[in-house]
Amino acid sequence: AQTVTQSQPEMSVQEAETVTLSCTYDTSESNYYLFWYKQPPSRQMILVIRQEAYKQQNATENRFSVNFQKAAKSFSLKISDSQLGDTAMYFCAFILTISNFGNEKLTFGTGTRLTIIP
Amino acid sequence: NAGVTQTPKFRVLKTGQSMTLLCAQDMNHEYMYWYRQDPGMGLRLIHYSVGEGTTAKGEVPDGYNVSRLKKQNFLLGLESAAPSQTSVYFCASTPEGLGYEQYFGPGTRLTVT
Repeated sequence: AQTVTQSQPEMSVQEAETVTLSCTYDTSESNYYLFWYKQPPSRQMILVIRQEAYKQQNATENRFSVNFQKAAKSFSLKISDSQLGDTAMYFCAFILTISNFGNEKLTFGTGTRLTIIP
Repeated sequence: NAGVTQTPKFRVLKTGQSMTLLCAQDMNHEYMYWYRQDPGMGLRLIHYSVGEGTTAKGEVPDGYNVSRLKKQNFLLGLESAAPSQTSVYFCASTPEGLGYEQYFGPGTRLTVT
């Protein structure tokens, strides 16, 4: 079974600073996708960024980037120039890419509550 | 385009009562999921479906049943509600295949007293 661990329950950072959220995962498979989802106070889950395991290049989306270390099974999220609207819970998630009835589901970490301080 | 909708948004039940949560998506997605979210535990998968007429158990299926009679709808039933089922419930959908973004509904806050 796959597991996802987020070891930082809460973090806070000053507005405009850079913050990195950690995520590690455990799997014996080599083909999978990793995601970061954001859940603001509105409760709506929003995809932040996605990484395919077969790609060595780290994914980026504007101010959001990841540091994907496949051998270490690490998938951290870096938020640059943080903004007040980045205040949210952030969840790391994992899914295998091999389609086999039973694999078609995301496994989530327990989340990191990020607060951006004005 | 409504995306994923959930009905109701809030509900309070007494122990032993039953109810059905409705999830509807208008994106023609094959896969649909029900999660529950509890403080400090992230999202845990209850049941999911990979197509009309199919359902499968997730991580925490006990006390819940589901049905996917129509492709666009995924129903989650609680036959006899218990206080341990107090939670926020999320529905999600994704196109067929793996690695696609899951689109989430706005959630249903359920309290069982």
